[in-house]
Amino acid sequence: SQQGEEDPQALSIQEGENATMNCSYKTSINNLQWYRQNSGRGLVHLILIRSNEREKHSGRLRVTLDTSKKSSSLLITASRAADTASYFCAATQGGSEKLVFGKGTKLTVNP
Amino acid sequence: DGGITQSPKYLFRKEGQNVTLSCEQNLNHDAMYWYRQDPGQGLRLIYYSQIVNDFQKGDIAEGYSVSREKKESFPLTVTSAQKNPTAFYLCASSATGGLSPLHFGNGTRLTVT
Repeated sequence: SQQGEEDPQALSIQEGENATMNCSYKTSINNLQWYRQNSGRGLVHLILIRSNEREKHSGRLRVTLDTSKKSSSLLITASRAADTASYFCAATQGGSEKLVFGKGTKLTVNP
Repeated sequence: DGGITQSPKYLFRKEGQNVTLSCEQNLNHDAMYWYRQDPGQGLRLIYYSQIVNDFQKGDIAEGYSVSREKKESFPLTVTSAQKNPTAFYLCASSATGGLSPLHFGNGTRLTVT
């Protein structure tokens, strides 16, 4: 079962442009997390946003959370070629503490 | 440096053989997880453990087994009962389960022929 569903599945942009990825989930959450994965590597945690927060920033990253729509978005501003990776959202499922991941958005930033 | 170590990076086995994937962490985290990743499928949870000597099945536990005898270690055995074992396996840990960020190892790519 998947708690998060990312959209789009793939995104290709030019360096300097902004990239926006969306995540929708099904059940109530404690928090929602975003991760990044470079090809063939483990995932790296980017941001955690709690259910009572609406927006969070970290450097060039901005995450929003809309619990009424059960959705979150990740914005990467002024993208760089090094941002090329897959991005995953993950959320807890109901009252469980286990994180369930979506299928990810594959971002390609062209130099 | 604290982190999670998975070994080996690549593993090849013949069909019908059991194989054990290693995962060690020195982050002093209570919770540990095993995920499987297939192309286009995202991550699927195999097993997780929130405390030593205790673990729970995830969404795709059939054909896998784990142990948690030490806080630092959470080995995964892929048994011959697993119908399609070729995949990328990721181990992770966190301080307080799903309420805190997961730290991932760099994965083990298992190929069974």
